Amino acid sequence: GQNIDQPTEMTATEGAIVQINCTYQTSGFNGLFWYQQHAGEAPTFLSYNVLDGLEEKGRFSSFLSRSKGYSYLLLKELQMKDSASYLCAVRPPFAGNNRKLIWGLGTSLAVNP
Amino acid sequence: DGGITQSPKYLFRKEGQNVTLSCEQNLNHDAMYWYRQDPGQGLRLIYYSQIVNDFQKGDIAEGYSVSREKKESFPLTVTSAQKNPTAFYLCASTPLAGGSYNEQFFGPGTRLTVL
Repeated sequence: GQNIDQPTEMTATEGAIVQINCTYQTSGFNGLFWYQQHAGEAPTFLSYNVLDGLEEKGRFSSFLSRSKGYSYLLLKELQMKDSASYLCAVRPPFAGNNRKLIWGLGTSLAVNP
Repeated sequence: DGGITQSPKYLFRKEGQNVTLSCEQNLNHDAMYWYRQDPGQGLRLIYYSQIVNDFQKGDIAEGYSVSREKKESFPLTVTSAQKNPTAFYLCASTPLAGGSYNEQFFGPGTRLTVL
């Protein structure tokens, strides 16, 4: 089967660092996405990993280990505006024109003063 | 500015009525998707389309219908057969080739409430 696991909720303090984990069991792998979604709004793209290692983009970094089926999103110097839901999504190998993603349920992050 | 528009932002309907949600994109993307999101839940795929005049059912297609007559437009009809239609509906699109990551771009969403 296809499954993505993320913690449901996390809490952190402004200025701190938080790591949001994502583990996946899928039939093949062709990339992993992280999206941020504020309440009542659309998801916005944060990062993409297809090779093992760390991708850094400002305060946000994303890590991937394909052999472990594991990724994490690292948020540094947390700000109140980082309070949002963070969605992990895996792209299976392309099969014909199939471009569907497999989505996790999201991790709701609350940043406290 | 390129992007995806969804209208309306909020929609109310009475039980037993069909309602159509609009989704338009000017990104020249080939593929378009409809998702449903319930409180505290992830995104569940309703329908998707890779090319004009062709579309496929997603994981929860029952009670919904779509059309793809133009590349830019992918309207979703929520029919009276959908048993629990109150939800947040998101439309997305992606290029099939040529993009850097081919990530999905999302519209602002339509919140449908059935009274």
